[in-house]
Amino acid sequence: DIQMTQSPSTLSASVGARVTITCRASQRISSWLAWYQQKPGKAPKLLIYDASRLDSGVPSRFSGSGSGTEFTLTISSLQPDDFATYYCQHYNSYPWTFGQGTKVEIK
Amino acid sequence: QVQLQASGPGLVKPSETLSLTCTVSGGSIGTNYWTWIRQPPGKGLEWIGYVYYIGSTNYNPSLDSRVTISVDRSKNQFSLKLRSVTAADTAVYYCARHGSGSWAYYMDLWGKGTTVTVSS
Repeated sequence: DIQMTQSPSTLSASVGARVTITCRASQRISSWLAWYQQKPGKAPKLLIYDASRLDSGVPSRFSGSGSGTEFTLTISSLQPDDFATYYCQHYNSYPWTFGQGTKVEIK
Repeated sequence: QVQLQASGPGLVKPSETLSLTCTVSGGSIGTNYWTWIRQPPGKGLEWIGYVYYIGSTNYNPSLDSRVTISVDRSKNQFSLKLRSVTAADTAVYYCARHGSGSWAYYMDLWGKGTTVTVSS
């Protein structure tokens, strides 16, 4: 299985801050990577797919980049609604696996 | 607007079979891949497996020997059966839709999730 490792596990930031989350794959996965946002008690929500494509309706402050084994999710200006846990997921080969999550907290 | 709703027993006894159904409303199940994912309490996400609308499947090898996912196009539903459950199978179970297009194996639509507890 391809292992997905996110860093940091927890991130404290203020409203308006620029935030970057990293996801590393244990093998090359081309650009077959998605990012999800999950709030407590809710289902995950797709933000980005194919490493850098924004899903419909997702604010433009979210962006994704990377290919191969290293990927980043950037929030250009953190908003109150963005405090949540973020997961990456590869879909290069079976089985699909997720990172362990990055919790973005209010500083 | 397509919506997914998972349903099934919230409590299952150890060694028994967990059975869940996901109903697709507002659209047809007759396209896309449909998937199950679970999340143990306080932990991350685990992909269980998917079914294509024509019935072909693919499962996570970690669960392959215990899992069956099927589709009922007449009811616009797909289902999960997980046999011989233990406490480690306690989780929130989500049904989700894969994206459209070639190699679109991200999940672009999720149901709300249903909590299943394995306990005697």
